[in-house]
This record gives sequence, C-alpha cells and structure tokens, in this order.
Amino acid sequence: DQQVKQNSPSLSVQEGRISILNCDYTNSMFDYFLWYKKYPAEGPTFLISISSIKDKNEDGRFTVFLNKSAKHLSLHIVPSQPGDSAVYFCAAHVGWGKFQFGAGTQVVVTP
Amino acid sequence: SQTIHQWPATLVQPVGSPLSLECTVEGTSNPNLYWYRQAAGRGLQLLFYSVGIGQISSEVPQNLSASRPQDRQFILSSKKLLLSDSGFYLCASSQGGSYNEQFFGPGTRLTVL
Repeated sequence: DQQVKQNSPSLSVQEGRISILNCDYTNSMFDYFLWYKKYPAEGPTFLISISSIKDKNEDGRFTVFLNKSAKHLSLHIVPSQPGDSAVYFCAAHVGWGKFQFGAGTQVVVTP
Repeated sequence: SQTIHQWPATLVQPVGSPLSLECTVEGTSNPNLYWYRQAAGRGLQLLFYSVGIGQISSEVPQNLSASRPQDRQFILSSKKLLLSDSGFYLCASSQGGSYNEQFFGPGTRLTVL
C-alpha cells in the first residue's frame, strides 16, 4: 500500500531558478518526513527533514514546507545548480524506525 | 556519522543460483539495519528491518531472506534467484530511535539472467 506519492517522475529546471518538488501522503498520523538525494549507482544521501510540529524547515539552499491539512510537502531548491541533478525521494516515518519512500523525482538542471 | 559498506558493487547471476550480499556498518553501535530494493524506475521498497542481532522483520513476502549474525553486519540471501530479483539493493543504517535519518550504503546492482 503506497502511502507516499511523488506524482512527478521528472522535473527540468534552468540553472539559477527554483526547483519545486512535491510529495503527497495519505496517512494523517505520519509525523516526520525526510528528503533524500540520489545520484546514479549510489545510495541516497539525507538532505533535510521536517517534523509535523513545524510547517517549514530551511537549510541553506533547501527548504521543506509541510501542509498537514493537505497532507502535502514540498522541497524548494534555490538557486538550482548543475550538481543538483539527481533523483529526489521523500520519505515518511511510518513507525518503529521505518520509513516509506516515494517513487522519486528526477531533477535535471540545465545551463 | 555512520559509514555503510556494501559488496559487491555489481553482480550478474543466473536464474536459480544462490545469492549473498553483505553489509557492514562503521561509526555506530546497536544500529537499526535495513535492506531496500530499488527496481528500475521505481522507488525504494523496504525488504527487511532489524533492531538487533538475530532479530529480522520481513516487510514483503519474497524469495529473499536476511540475517544479522553480528551487531553491525547484515546479510541478504537467496537460495535460488528469480528473474524478478534483479534490481538495485541498498543497505541502510540508523541510530536506535524512531526519528533518526537513515544512512545508505553505495548499493549493489544485481542482474539475474
């Protein structure tokens, strides 16, 4: 049962512009969310997290927004850089130290 | 921070052959350990989860098994591989406690022919 969804499989953005990645979830009991970045043939690396007691968390060029009523979170990358080209996964804590991951969004940053 | 080692990096195996993928963790003790599979064009599917030596939780019915013989060693196995076992296998570790992010290894690309 897929409770975390990333409905955009890919996103192309120009260098210097904002990248906005979206993630929806179905279970209102989820209380902690993570974003990971993954390059080909490598393991994902942690980017940023947000707890359900917050609606925004910022770390450098990365900001995550959480809209609990809509069961929606988004990751903003400003400004986008060529090294940001990767697959981005959102993940929700589903209990007992386990996370469910979305299908991922491939970001391509063009010159 | 934790360092996750996985090997081999790539593996090509015939259908029906056995499998053993190993994962070891440095920089932490008593971690939670995870095996994930990423099939082509899909997200990360949790296969197994372990909170301690000998304690394995299987998340999906499948042709694979896992074992944790030591605190920081996690092994993924199969007696007979199927074509559908092909994929990118990732080992992950997190510090005990529910809300800690997971650290991932570099992964193993398994192709079953």
